[in-house]
Amino acid sequence: QTVVTQEPSFSVSPGGTVTLTCDLRSGSVSTSHYPSWYQQTPGQPPRTLIHTTNTRSPGVPERFSGSILGNKAALTITGAQADDDSDYFCALYMGSGIFVFGGGTKLTVL
Amino acid sequence: EVQLVQSGAEVKKPGESLRISCKGSAYSFTSYWINWVRLMPGKGLEWMGRIDPSDSYINYSPSFQGHVTISADKSISTAYLQWSSLKSSDTAMYYCARGSIVAVGRDSWGQGTLVTVSS
Repeated sequence: QTVVTQEPSFSVSPGGTVTLTCDLRSGSVSTSHYPSWYQQTPGQPPRTLIHTTNTRSPGVPERFSGSILGNKAALTITGAQADDDSDYFCALYMGSGIFVFGGGTKLTVL
Repeated sequence: EVQLVQSGAEVKKPGESLRISCKGSAYSFTSYWINWVRLMPGKGLEWMGRIDPSDSYINYSPSFQGHVTISADKSISTAYLQWSSLKSSDTAMYYCARGSIVAVGRDSWGQGTLVTVSS
């Protein structure tokens, strides 16, 4: 069973920069996994931030960016704002039409 | 504006069947995959499966294969997620998302359908 791991929690100060990562327990993440990132706020549907590694979804602020860092996918928030306090999930394409979500990172902005 | 509108909340008993829906509007429904994602209380997002509405080609997560059925009716721009025999462990919020061949959610998501299964 494919396991995708994320930091369980992270904190950042308002205006600060934070990088969340998305890893494969067995293997490296590459652009061939087409990593995507989603913001989940309680009571709201998920919001797509990034797809295909680094393509921002329409309406997503430029402070959100995606990349591959080493052997992991990464979501960087530059200039964090209070309403970025949320859960963040990555998803990887594993081939053969199969996707797997990571366990999510709870980001606290304080 | 692209929209995915899901059917309303459901309360069911264990063993009952259920079909929930996701209707797309303001775009070519057959040009994008529809993915289904589960969010259980206190848990993370789980990818369940997806359908290409143009030909009803379906991929299922191994974790959900055999437990749910995904379908679509392109004539009314609607995708479906159904259960033949619900369990209490199916209690969750279910979302549909407009995806691409390599992305679960390319941009738009439905508002979610809360399914509660309780005796």
